[in-house]
Amino acid sequence: DSGVTQTPKHLITATGQRVTLRCSPRSGDLSVYWYQQSLDQGLQFLIQYYNGEERAKGNILERFSAQQFPDLHSELNLSSLELGDSALYFCASSTRQGSDEQYFGPGTRLTVT
Amino acid sequence: AQSVAQPEDQVNVAEGNPLTVKCTYSVSGNPYLFWYVQYPNRGLQFLLKYITGDNLVKGSYGFEAEFNKSQTSFHLKKPSALVSDSALYFCAVRENYGQNFVFGPGTRLSVLP
Repeated sequence: DSGVTQTPKHLITATGQRVTLRCSPRSGDLSVYWYQQSLDQGLQFLIQYYNGEERAKGNILERFSAQQFPDLHSELNLSSLELGDSALYFCASSTRQGSDEQYFGPGTRLTVT
Repeated sequence: AQSVAQPEDQVNVAEGNPLTVKCTYSVSGNPYLFWYVQYPNRGLQFLLKYITGDNLVKGSYGFEAEFNKSQTSFHLKKPSALVSDSALYFCAVRENYGQNFVFGPGTRLSVLP
């Protein structure tokens, strides 16, 4: 158990809908990262937050947004969902920033029908 | 732009034999390099990292990796493979602070009894 929790574990929704994925980092970790894993795209880095502020941005679509709250939990919001958004979404956390190893949560499997 | 290549989709090795999973990278500055392992239906687990210092890095579960700056490689090795090492292995790179994490496409390791 990495200490990173993600909810929900599974999510099934329809095209055009909006969903929110939640992540609680390990106790004491200030950085949160979001990733999308799909068969055709592999593991894609979406975005990183550090202590509430956005620090790095990867291949995150404009339909997606994230934030980190004062208690350090993070939410990833996916809107106007398309079939191609079906994937496994991972959250990871680390103590500080770029040179620290990340601890991954179990993931949220999103299925868009 | 940063990139990571894992030239082998699949590596098969007999139990007890040494294993190597290859990774090459491209960055314009100094790299932070990582290896992660993913077991079925699980999040990624950190194995080891290279930030600076000794080129030979030792990590979890008997794995090690050698940073080779001239060949821009960071191959993962283990002297004696176990069946339980069978999993998906990801190499990742980050170029300095504030940059994206880039993961390789993954290499599936199968250790045969």
